[in-house]
Amino acid sequence: KNEVEQSPQNLTAQEGEFITINCSYSVGISALHWLQQHPGGGIVSLFMLSSGKKKHGRLIATINIQEKHSSLHITASHPRDSAVYICAVRRGYNTDKLIFGTGTRLQVFP
Amino acid sequence: SAVISQKPSRDICQRGTSLTIQCQVDSQVTMMFWYRQQPGQSLTLIATANQGSEATYESGFVIDKFPISRPNLTFSTLTVSNMSPEDSSIYLCSVEDRSTGETQYFGPGTRLLVL
Repeated sequence: KNEVEQSPQNLTAQEGEFITINCSYSVGISALHWLQQHPGGGIVSLFMLSSGKKKHGRLIATINIQEKHSSLHITASHPRDSAVYICAVRRGYNTDKLIFGTGTRLQVFP
Repeated sequence: SAVISQKPSRDICQRGTSLTIQCQVDSQVTMMFWYRQQPGQSLTLIATANQGSEATYESGFVIDKFPISRPNLTFSTLTVSNMSPEDSSIYLCSVEDRSTGETQYFGPGTRLLVL
């Protein structure tokens, strides 16, 4: 079993829909990252969370440390949101290494 | 923020040859990370490159296959040696900027196809 699991693996939506991507992890962490990878391969960091909730534009990320779970929400989805969304966790405070989930491929249709 | 560039952006190579990938950052960073992303897979850390010391390799990756240089705080190279088709992947370098809350920055990647 992977230490970081994402669901769903694939997701299709109509433009305007509210989208939720989930990430569960089985190890103790000091931080969790949400990353976005576009078809060209480039990766952009969306959020880094250690507790609570963060919002940036139409994107909201939440984390529940006790339940070892994080969600990424996209409100009013748009075709340009189509990408692979990757959850990655940092184990402990004395490491720089990230453990990555396998990603959720999102396609938003007009 | 950190802006990272990689060269080449893509290459097609013959089995048995070697390719050196360059990673340039527009600011000084202590640690640089090299990742591999095989087709349909997520990222796997190959090694962590510190300036002035040997790179630290993850389980399953060895220096003879993936030699790394880190001559200064803004530059690193990863060589994929004696390539086989199984090395076909996207190779990405990454840095972490703890001054901005541990944001991770990634290069655009080098897409490698080995025939």
